[in-house]
Amino acid sequence: RKEVEQDPGPFNVPEGATVAFNCTYSNSASQSFFWYRQDCRKEPKLLMSVYSSGNEDGRFTAQLNRASQYISLLIRDSKLSDSATYLCVVTYGQNFVFGPGTRLSVLP
Amino acid sequence: EAGVTQSPTHLIKTRGQQATLRCSPISGHTSVYWYQQALGLGLQFLLWYDEGEERNRGNFPPRFSGRQFPNYSSELNVNALELEDSALYLCASSLEPGEGNIQYFGAGTRLSVL
Repeated sequence: RKEVEQDPGPFNVPEGATVAFNCTYSNSASQSFFWYRQDCRKEPKLLMSVYSSGNEDGRFTAQLNRASQYISLLIRDSKLSDSATYLCVVTYGQNFVFGPGTRLSVLP
Repeated sequence: EAGVTQSPTHLIKTRGQQATLRCSPISGHTSVYWYQQALGLGLQFLLWYDEGEERNRGNFPPRFSGRQFPNYSSELNVNALELEDSALYLCASSLEPGEGNIQYFGAGTRLSVL
């Protein structure tokens, strides 16, 4: 089993839709969690950290479920500019492990 | 404040040659990470340097090597290039190693091996 797994997508959604991505991880000792976004042929950029209590940043909400070992990202009111690949990141010890990413296309 | 910078932006080599890629971390960051991203694939961890020492290494052959200089900048060397080494090589830096320290990425070096 891979350390970090994500739905590969692509998710094709219309503007204004709500879309959710899940990410599962195998190492129960994982401590820190992040979502990055990567635009086509660009570098990954931090979208948000994921806290145990869940956190929200505008249209984006991240949740962590330690018991089931998954994190999620919810995007409300999707914009065309949200089209990108979303990477889940899990850390344990000094290891920083990226998931393979979920591709999102927001359509006009 | 400058972000992570990488050079060159693009690099074209032929099979068997050597490639050298460079990275300057964000000022004050001591940890530098290298990743390989082949076209359409995820990020594969290559190497991690902190305070001039190699701290961890991904599942790559020994012809992938590097170093970190006293000013915390880093170099990735790939010897005996193979066609499958063609990829985007990303460098990231973090303030210090350890849990919860966010990695910030440079724009990458796109290596093409012909």
